[in-house]
Amino acid sequence: NAGVTQTPKFQVLKTGQSMTLQCAQDMNHNSMYWYRQDPGMGLRLIYYSASEGTTDKGEVPNGYNVSRLNKREFSLRLESAAPSQTSVYFCASSHLMGMVRETQYFGPGTRLLVL
Amino acid sequence: AQTVTQSQPEMSVQEAETVTLSCTYDTSESNYYLFWYKQPPSRQMILVIRQEAYKQQNATENRFSVNFQKAAKSFSLKISDSQLGDTAMYFCAFMKHDAGGTSYGKLTFGQGTILTVHP
Repeated sequence: NAGVTQTPKFQVLKTGQSMTLQCAQDMNHNSMYWYRQDPGMGLRLIYYSASEGTTDKGEVPNGYNVSRLNKREFSLRLESAAPSQTSVYFCASSHLMGMVRETQYFGPGTRLLVL
Repeated sequence: AQTVTQSQPEMSVQEAETVTLSCTYDTSESNYYLFWYKQPPSRQMILVIRQEAYKQQNATENRFSVNFQKAAKSFSLKISDSQLGDTAMYFCAFMKHDAGGTSYGKLTFGQGTILTVHP
């Protein structure tokens, strides 16, 4: 099993450009998450999808949109990138959000630089 | 809202020695889980250990153990017999759950501690 995979690994954008970060998991997990990691700060939740067909805002959703394409895939879109969105983005998945003894599994991250 | 604080930005230890990473948290919740995640240079977040707050017994996983002090809201990680592969950033994280143990699925992370293991 590959676990959680993310593409691309690294991306440079100009202010105002758009892009989509892709995430896929092969663990048959129901719940998926997008986090961002900034220097000196812990990971912060952007959006999550508790199950296929549902998405909800996390702590820092402004400037982002998400799509739960199917059970395996959860994408994060930046419609008009801003320098403040320079960060490392992590996708995670878990068997079922809210399940007792839930554990989240993380992907390797996407490093995004917005100039 | 809850906060998680890791007051040690960086730590270092010699190979084979023991090191303790500190974490404190602030919450009004009674029911929660606590986690330690490891992030090596590859950037992937790896679960190291998890503690259920309603359990008094400290969790252990091989060379990793925690000292959970619920009243003090403290959750430190002890790494015994440190290995070069332990070099990474370590994050403490919090997740609340209801009285039945069902979590809300949202992790709150601390700022991280960079641990370097020297040969």
